[in-house]
Amino acid sequence: NAGVTQTPKFQVLKTGQSMTLQCAQDMNHNSMYWYRQDPGMGLRLIYYSASEGTTDKGEVPNGYNVSRLNKREFSLRLESAAPSQTSVYFCASRGEGNEQFFGPGTRLTVL
Amino acid sequence: AQSVTQLGSHVSVSEGALVLLRCNYSSSVPPYLFWYVQYPNQGLQLLLKYTSAATLVKGINGFEAEFKKSETSFHLTKPSAHMSDAAEYFCAVSKYNFNKFYFGSGTKLNVKP
Repeated sequence: NAGVTQTPKFQVLKTGQSMTLQCAQDMNHNSMYWYRQDPGMGLRLIYYSASEGTTDKGEVPNGYNVSRLNKREFSLRLESAAPSQTSVYFCASRGEGNEQFFGPGTRLTVL
Repeated sequence: AQSVTQLGSHVSVSEGALVLLRCNYSSSVPPYLFWYVQYPNQGLQLLLKYTSAATLVKGINGFEAEFKKSETSFHLTKPSAHMSDAAEYFCAVSKYNFNKFYFGSGTKLNVKP
């Protein structure tokens, strides 16, 4: 039982490049979330998916897109990366007790 | 919109001393509240949660938190700090549908020997 997994762990991009962050959970959870973590700002919700086939915006969705590929997988895409998107990205899923389970994170640097 | 305020970005205590990490929320309706811990280079792990069953909530590793509606607070405490408690702690709030969670800015706990 791996919980929530994220790939890659680290990534360096140049401004304007695109990439997709992958997330998968094996706990059969319906809801999944993408956050970014910046120093002194806690975690901010980018997008969430309440169930397979649905996605919705969080606090800071600009510059990102998401896909809920199936119940297990929820990906985050940066179409044209900007230095302001340098951050640590966390994926999470929500269990039956409504607590969130987090992945190990992806450290993204945009030069 | 919901918001969460954590007073003190850094807290330092001696091993064996009381730990008190503060969290205040703003909400027009009773929220659901959570405390998470993050160790360096890891994701967040749930410490405890309040979901209206009891105002005093006990979590893992000896932590507990008390929901005080009149003060809109959900402070985290531990009677005796251990070196292994050194980490960053986040308070989070959500409404009934749990579609959105709002996190505080975090408090880094340092435990001195």
